Amino acid sequence: GQQVMQIPQYQHVQEGEDFTTYCNSSTTLSNIQWYKQRPGGHPVFLIQLVKSGEVKKQKRLTFQFGEAKKNSSLHITATQTTDVGTYFCAGRRGGTALIFGKGTTLSVSS
Amino acid sequence: SQTIHQWPATLVQPVGSPLSLECTVEGTSNPNLYWYRQAAGRGLQLLFYSVGIGQISSEVPQNLSASRPQDRQFILSSKKLLLSDSGFYLCAWSVAGDPYEQYFGPGTRLTVT
Repeated sequence: GQQVMQIPQYQHVQEGEDFTTYCNSSTTLSNIQWYKQRPGGHPVFLIQLVKSGEVKKQKRLTFQFGEAKKNSSLHITATQTTDVGTYFCAGRRGGTALIFGKGTTLSVSS
Repeated sequence: SQTIHQWPATLVQPVGSPLSLECTVEGTSNPNLYWYRQAAGRGLQLLFYSVGIGQISSEVPQNLSASRPQDRQFILSSKKLLLSDSGFYLCAWSVAGDPYEQYFGPGTRLTVT
């Protein structure tokens, strides 16, 4: 079945360093969403990308959707301790269900 | 504003016992509803989703079942729990018709012993 792969699984950075997580799908996606889950918490929606090649920014976070709509990335500039958590991408096939990646867990040391 | 409730927050159950987890949504009508399971250190696995009362789609065949007896109520059940059913169970909702973002509940942490 359709899969959404996410790498790396874990990433540790020093505060102030940049961080990137990548998401790849085996099939073309209608759109892709990104969620953040803080330790012990529940996933919270960050953003949705719909168009081929789309780039969106939220402060220090930059989200990209690939030209073929099969991959996406989340880049955080100058990480802060508040960025700690697990970042999930989720692809939507044509319909209601989202297919979540396994997530990238980010830890930040000050 | 919309809110989503899940209970209980934590649950410890013996193998072979039944399970019933409840999720309710307030402040919206005819939402899409979802049950996910997150094993320790793993991603989110979609178990069931529902687009209306009595309409349940199963994504993963296993010993769990779901029901939607009312518009804003979603129940996850099992007749006999397995050790492998342990995990973090999350209920979520989204707007019907053109599902956009999903809003997750606080989750239930289930440990099967």
